Amino acid sequence: GESVGLHLPTLSVQEGDNSIINCAYSNSASDYFIWYKQESGKGPQFIIDIRSNMDKRQGQRVTVLLNKTVKHLSLQIAATQPGDSAVYFCAENIGAGSYQLTFGKGTKLSVIP
Amino acid sequence: DAGVTQSPTHLIKTRGQQVTLRCSPKSGHDTVSWYQQALGQGPQFIFQYYEEEERQRGNFPDRFSGHQFPNYSSELNVNALLLGDSALYLCASSLEGQGANYGYTFGSGTRLTVV
Repeated sequence: GESVGLHLPTLSVQEGDNSIINCAYSNSASDYFIWYKQESGKGPQFIIDIRSNMDKRQGQRVTVLLNKTVKHLSLQIAATQPGDSAVYFCAENIGAGSYQLTFGKGTKLSVIP
Repeated sequence: DAGVTQSPTHLIKTRGQQVTLRCSPKSGHDTVSWYQQALGQGPQFIFQYYEEEERQRGNFPDRFSGHQFPNYSSELNVNALLLGDSALYLCASSLEGQGANYGYTFGSGTRLTVV
């Protein structure tokens, strides 16, 4: 896993605006990616996933984009709401019999009412 | 439908002591993974249990051990506690038949403080 500091990157957005959270993943062999939302005092909650044979996937108010060329993943949240305030993590799995999820640095999203 | 249940929610231990954390997977799930999440960081994979055996382990010392029971519940044991073991310990369950890496459901974790 990555070594990260105590200070998470923070993104502040106005309620109703769109949010974009970025993630640089570590392993070019990874074939499955997940975005998780973690609220204070809770475990990570699944938001959306994408496999490496796709470059875009949409859910309800969320879209994940995958750029394998530059090993970059992004999460777009439409019409951000106060309830979206949380820490967001991307996670990757290399497949090939590995059961480990490797989590990236989290981003703290703060929604301004 | 109960999700992943972990106990206890909080725990304070002294350096050198041993601790056991417990996890009941989501109903219908048969695979349990454990993660350690230090303050301000992403979760780090400790190990995964399936069919009562550890089938993959992350970069953690032998002081960390586990067990899975026939009812799929699991325990995480940590011996000779160090201050650096203070963290949120997360349990995640999944269903092997759907691909053990998909559909992970995390519990709320056990907050361990070593003093």
